[in-house]
Amino acid sequence: DAGVIQSPRHEVTEMGQEVTLRCKPISGHNSLFWYRQTMMRGLELLIYFNNNVPIDDSGMPEDRFSAKMPNASFSTLKIQPSEPRDSAVYFCASSTTGVYSNQPQHFGDGTRLSIL
Amino acid sequence: KNQVEQSPQSLIILEGKNCTLQCNYTVSPFSNLRWYKQDTGRGPVSLTIMTFSENTKSNGRYTATLDADTKQSSLHITASQLSDSASYICVVTFNQAGTALIFGKGTTLSVSS
Repeated sequence: DAGVIQSPRHEVTEMGQEVTLRCKPISGHNSLFWYRQTMMRGLELLIYFNNNVPIDDSGMPEDRFSAKMPNASFSTLKIQPSEPRDSAVYFCASSTTGVYSNQPQHFGDGTRLSIL
Repeated sequence: KNQVEQSPQSLIILEGKNCTLQCNYTVSPFSNLRWYKQDTGRGPVSLTIMTFSENTKSNGRYTATLDADTKQSSLHITASQLSDSASYICVVTFNQAGTALIFGKGTTLSVSS
């Protein structure tokens, strides 16, 4: 079975540019999570969706970040304008149930983002 | 302040040896505690998930324990293999809305032959 699919795997762009990260969750999973990982801060939950609806976006760092889930099989995380401090690995994960459940989250292999 | 502290930060062991990783948390109210394994360049993979009422959970050579009274968890790896070399991350879930997940910084384990 296909796991969580993220694209692109690597992205290098200049500051000020718009960046769009994409995620396809596992079919049948109704919860989707976006994470950011850096050496300094480790893993951080940015936002999560349940049945395509954003439930908690308190981890989104600022208004430059936005996330959408137009349907059950696709989500995007957008940064506009991008800044060097946004450089990190961004992970998407999906699960059959919400964040408080005891079901495992399945992670993609991430997008390594470098903002010059 | 809700925090998750992991120790040691890094660990080197010989293949075939056992090891134990620690996770202490101050998160309250508590929903569940998860251990993940993350290989270099890959996403985390779930090892165990424990609720408040569970003391022990195993997944092959990995055994997690939880003491909800002292707010401590450990991950024990038995008969280590080279493929166990990875970062191990402890995650505690809040049982209330807002900032639902608190992550530890992880323990980097290196298994050498």
